[in-house]
Amino acid sequence: GAVVSQHPSRVICKSGTSVKIECRSLDFQATTMFWYRQFPKKSLMLMATSNEGSKATYEQGVEKDKFLINHASLTLSTLTVTSAHPEDSSFYICSARASRQGNTGELFFGEGSRLTVL
Amino acid sequence: GESVGLHLPTLSVQEGDNSIINCAYSNSASDYFIWYKQESGKGPQFIIDIRSNMDKRQGQRVTVLLNKTVKHLSLQIAATQPGDSAVYFCAGSTGGGNKLTFGTGTQLKVEL
Repeated sequence: GAVVSQHPSRVICKSGTSVKIECRSLDFQATTMFWYRQFPKKSLMLMATSNEGSKATYEQGVEKDKFLINHASLTLSTLTVTSAHPEDSSFYICSARASRQGNTGELFFGEGSRLTVL
Repeated sequence: GESVGLHLPTLSVQEGDNSIINCAYSNSASDYFIWYKQESGKGPQFIIDIRSNMDKRQGQRVTVLLNKTVKHLSLQIAATQPGDSAVYFCAGSTGGGNKLTFGTGTQLKVEL
């Protein structure tokens, strides 16, 4: 079945640095990918919708200059946490749906990337 | 907006018993729902989905029931196994499923 891969799975960084997380659809093309954030023992919160070839759509309360999203190809979206602070420590998860399925069809999730900011 | 919530944070069942996990939603315009399973440290795994033109859908050992009148859906797991232990999330959306709102999750614990 379709697979979405995230890299890195775990990253530890110092406060003030920037971290890039990649989300790749391995065997399908995805016009749209979604980035979620999950705190421990909490639900997934949609941060933004990543659109190939155009700007991402951010949810209310999510700082677009803080969380930079780039969807340069139909198989890759990146999330960059800029000037990271300890409160940015979280589990970041991406999802994607095959472009040919439009708004229907299964959403595939990556395994998540755990960011720890010291 | 959409609000999706779960009735119980934790559900404990005996191995072999059936499990029922409940979920309520607030937006009557919601037309697509999904149940996900999430194991510790991993991303969500699709279990089953249902559209609002249906009230029941069955998969392998799982059944999702949708009651649009009271804006409630449930996930039934038959013959629960230790491998079913995880957090289960319901998620809903309008417009077919592009933008999902997740519920808070129910921790299912299977006791031997």
